[in-house]
This record gives sequence, structure tokens and C-alpha cells, in this order.
Amino acid sequence: GEDVEQSLFLSVREGDSSVINCTYTDSSSTYLYWYKQEPGAGLQLLTYIFSNMDMKQDQRLTVLLNKKDKHLSLRIADTQTGDSAIYFCAAIGGATNKLIFGTGTLLAVQP
Amino acid sequence: DGGITQSPKYLFRKEGQNVTLSCEQNLNHDAMYWYRQDPGQGLRLIYYSQIVNDFQKGDIAEGYSVSREKKESFPLTVTSAQKNPTAFYLCASSIGGQGTDTQYFGPGTRLTVL
Repeated sequence: GEDVEQSLFLSVREGDSSVINCTYTDSSSTYLYWYKQEPGAGLQLLTYIFSNMDMKQDQRLTVLLNKKDKHLSLRIADTQTGDSAIYFCAAIGGATNKLIFGTGTLLAVQP
Repeated sequence: DGGITQSPKYLFRKEGQNVTLSCEQNLNHDAMYWYRQDPGQGLRLIYYSQIVNDFQKGDIAEGYSVSREKKESFPLTVTSAQKNPTAFYLCASSIGGQGTDTQYFGPGTRLTVL
């Protein structure tokens, strides 16, 4: 079945760009998502990308998709302390049609 | 305001007791989901419902039960059969039950078994 992997931790300085990476295994995944979770809260949908796209930009967020390598990344420009959170990558499992989540990447923004 | 509400935010339970977590949505979504989150892990699907009066087991359904008597509500019961129930529970909904329908999440309930 689908497996989604992320690195556990990323630390950046305020004002720098952050890049959070994700890999997935199911090449038939059609939609890929990025969610943000602040401490003690639910998941907030940040953005998503269709598998027929290479890139999607939404204000400070840029999503890049490399289908050949099954690699997804989320770039946050001008990272702020309010961006400190856990970021989850999720992919639709092609066989199960269910949303499969990565373990989440904790982004720590240093002032 | 449209959205998904979960109550309570924090819940404490003694071992051997059943407890029910509430999830309500006013988004007119057909599908609803329950996930469990443990530290350092991704979300794992417990149960989901694509339509009223119908639901399916997810990947970790053992020790849990659900009902879907109303479109707006999808309560989750954590039974005494669940061996390790302490976790953060998240409810979600989507407009339809297709995997490609975007899921929106509630604020979560943190359950602690004493």
C-alpha cells in the first residue's frame, strides 16, 4: 500500500526560506496535500496539488512535485515564527482511495 | 460559521470505562472520518462514513465503535477493549466519500486514560 515519509525536524531562522520534503510510494496517487498542525490543534489544510501539475504557488507557499521520483516539497518563503508547527504531507492511496499521512515534520523557526 | 466541532477538548477516563467523543459538522458534507494521532506518528484512520447509516472500518478499528444516524454527527466510542486509548483524536469531513475529496479537520479531543 501507499507509504508516505517525511523527515522529523527542520530548524530555520526567521526570514529564511523553509523547505519540507516528502516522498511517497504509490505512483498512482492523484492528489497530494500539505496540512499544518499547531500545538494542541487540529489539522489546517494549507494547499494541495494534482498529480498532473509540477508546481503550485500560493502567496508564500510553493509546492513542487516530481512524479518521476515520487517527491513532494513545500517551500515557505520569508518564514515567520508563526509558521512554527508540524507539517503533514498526505497522499491519496491509489488502490485504497484513502488519505495516507506522513509522520509530520516539526518546523522550528528561530528568531 | 461553518465548520467541524469536537467535544470535549480534553477527556479523562478510568481504565475499563467506555467513553464517547463527539464530532459535529455544519458543512453539509456527506463523508466523515475519525483518526488517531500518537506522538511522532502520522494520523491513522479508525472509521469512516461516506453516507448516513453507513460506515466502514479503517486501519485500526479494533476497540472502537461509531454510529452515523445523522448527516451532521459521527460520534466515536472508545471501548474498554481498546488496549492503549490515550491519544489525540481527530475528526474530519469531506464533501463526498471519494478519496480525492479534500478533508477538513476539527480541533481534536485529547483522551487520557488514568
